[in-house]
Amino acid sequence: GAVVSQHPSRVICKSGTSVKIECRSLDFQATTMFWYRQFPKQSLMLMATSNEGSKATYEQGVEKDKFLINHASLTLSTLTVTSAHPEDSSFYICSASHGAGSTDTQYFGPGTRLTVL
Amino acid sequence: SQELEQSPQSLIVQEGKNLTINCTSSKTLYGLYWYKQKYGEGLIFLMMLQKGGEEKSHEKITAKLDEKKQQSSLHITASQPSHAGIYLCGADIQAAGNKLTFGGGTRVLVKP
Repeated sequence: GAVVSQHPSRVICKSGTSVKIECRSLDFQATTMFWYRQFPKQSLMLMATSNEGSKATYEQGVEKDKFLINHASLTLSTLTVTSAHPEDSSFYICSASHGAGSTDTQYFGPGTRLTVL
Repeated sequence: SQELEQSPQSLIVQEGKNLTINCTSSKTLYGLYWYKQKYGEGLIFLMMLQKGGEEKSHEKITAKLDEKKQQSSLHITASQPSHAGIYLCGADIQAAGNKLTFGGGTRVLVKP
């Protein structure tokens, strides 16, 4: 149980284009989903928290107009990187949890590697 | 400095040997999670600790949270090549639910 998928696993795009990444909880309803960014050999940096049906909460320093998050259903959240630039190249990982309590485990997707040329 | 410090940053052990990874904070850890990641992949949930003094085991991996809830350790007994990977601790340090702050990770290599 507690399987989270991400699509695509890899994407290469040209500078200036937008890229959408999907995060799905396959066997449970995810009230809360999180989006992280991970640079090579570094830890995870939380970008935003999204709750189904409401606006995402972004961490300090993360541009909400650049990284659009939609959590339209209890099993799907999307992250759209708008007008991508080479500095946006990174490994993006989502996680999903049943709730927002401290004992609600986050289950992670396999990640999406974005390369912007 | 990071709010959650992991040590060591990397570790090479001989197959069959034990290893320990530490995760330390100056703040109270309201929920402490251990995950394992292989390079370029997602995180696999290992264990969650919440109560001071709590200890959990699964197969050859044991995780402990100290009484003060500021330090956790992950111990692997008789390591195998399958234990290789990056181990990350993540914790709620703001008493804000399951919004996690992660440590820098510990890279483990097991030599056959």
